[in-house]
Amino acid sequence: TQLLEQSPQFLSIQEGENLTVYCNSSSVFSSLQWYRQEPGEGPVLLVTVVTGGEVKKLKRLTFQFGDARKDSSLHITAAQPGDTGLYLCAGRLSGAGSYQLTFGKGTKLSVIP
Amino acid sequence: ETGVTQTPRHLVMGMTNKKSLKCEQHLGHNAMYWYKQSAKKPLELMFVYNFKEQTENNSVPSRFSPECPNSSHLFLHLHTLQPEDSALYLCASSQDFTENTGELFFGEGSRLTVL
Repeated sequence: TQLLEQSPQFLSIQEGENLTVYCNSSSVFSSLQWYRQEPGEGPVLLVTVVTGGEVKKLKRLTFQFGDARKDSSLHITAAQPGDTGLYLCAGRLSGAGSYQLTFGKGTKLSVIP
Repeated sequence: ETGVTQTPRHLVMGMTNKKSLKCEQHLGHNAMYWYKQSAKKPLELMFVYNFKEQTENNSVPSRFSPECPNSSHLFLHLHTLQPEDSALYLCASSQDFTENTGELFFGEGSRLTVL
């Protein structure tokens, strides 16, 4: 069982469509991050959320942290081919001495022109 | 350009070879990491060095041996690997391992194939 479950695993959509990907867990996190990884590159941070219920917007991307700090979602509006990549959520467990950043398997997004 | 450079980008080695992966960061960070990325698996944390001290070793087999001579350089020494060790090995750095919201800066990875 994975600590962080991401869904869907794969998503292929047409340019201009909207989409949402999810990151779920039964554990509570002190902070959660979303990274995007393009082919041949390492992951790059998109956002960090720390407060339950927090919503952050980054241009066409909207990130939400669940009220209980156990889950998160990423919504993309009017997807573009440049959004193609592997979206990874990663979290640090709540509790003393929990510094390790644990990753989900990711959602592989393809945006077709 | 993330400020983290990994070499080589690609490596093919036999099971009896000894090789090393190198990582260098130009960000002035104090923490450096090795992650393993395999198909159908999450990124797996292998080792963490914080202020040059190894703080995490996630039950990694002894055929992987890390070395951190200073805060800017990190090596992963490889010997007698198995085919299942074939993967993308990612190096990352951050300001401090204990920072709750710390951002990881990744290199482009070293793609390892073990024959």
